[in-house]
Amino acid sequence: AQRVTQPEKLLSVFKGAPVELKCNYSYSGSPELFWYVQYSRQRLQLLLRHISRESIKGFTADLNKGETSFHLKKPFAQEEDSAMYYCALSGHGNQFYFGTGTSLTVIP
Amino acid sequence: DTAVSQTPKYLVTQMGNDKSIKCEQNLGHDTMYWYKQDSKKFLKIMFSYNNKELIINETVPNRFSPKSPDKAHLNLHINSLELGDSAVYFCASSQSRLTNTGELFFGEGSRLTVL
Repeated sequence: AQRVTQPEKLLSVFKGAPVELKCNYSYSGSPELFWYVQYSRQRLQLLLRHISRESIKGFTADLNKGETSFHLKKPFAQEEDSAMYYCALSGHGNQFYFGTGTSLTVIP
Repeated sequence: DTAVSQTPKYLVTQMGNDKSIKCEQNLGHDTMYWYKQDSKKFLKIMFSYNNKELIINETVPNRFSPKSPDKAHLNLHINSLELGDSAVYFCASSQSRLTNTGELFFGEGSRLTVL
């Protein structure tokens, strides 16, 4: 069963425009949600996690349990934000499940 | 002082060959994973080991056999390689669920090309 859904495979925005990467999840119980990012020719790395409720590189994500969503947002996109973004869910027993990823391109 | 290291980074081989990818982590984590990233960038878990014990084994052909000699190492051996095995394989590690910070630490990936 698909636990994490990222409906957009590709997303392009202009520099300075707001950006939102969508993520919906399906899981019984209380999962932990994360966003991971993979910049060009770099390894996957954690961007932020819902339990921290922090802003990293201007990005925020709010867990909406009613809508089972964890969308990633940034008010003003920068060129260096161009990367592959993965939404991930951590369930029982250290199981991490990733969405299919969204490739973000910020146009200068 | 790399946290999660994989070797080799690139591997080009012929169909039918057997190959291995090694992974080591020096973070003291007790859970390690193998993920496969295909050409469309889909990232799919293959295996997970906790303290050398297999805890996740997704639908992966038997040609793939993980081996964990100790909790700092998780190697991936692939028999009879097929064209569809071409992908980037990522190793990752995390702390146990009891003290889980929720963060996966990834290696740089090993790009396997089967000709």
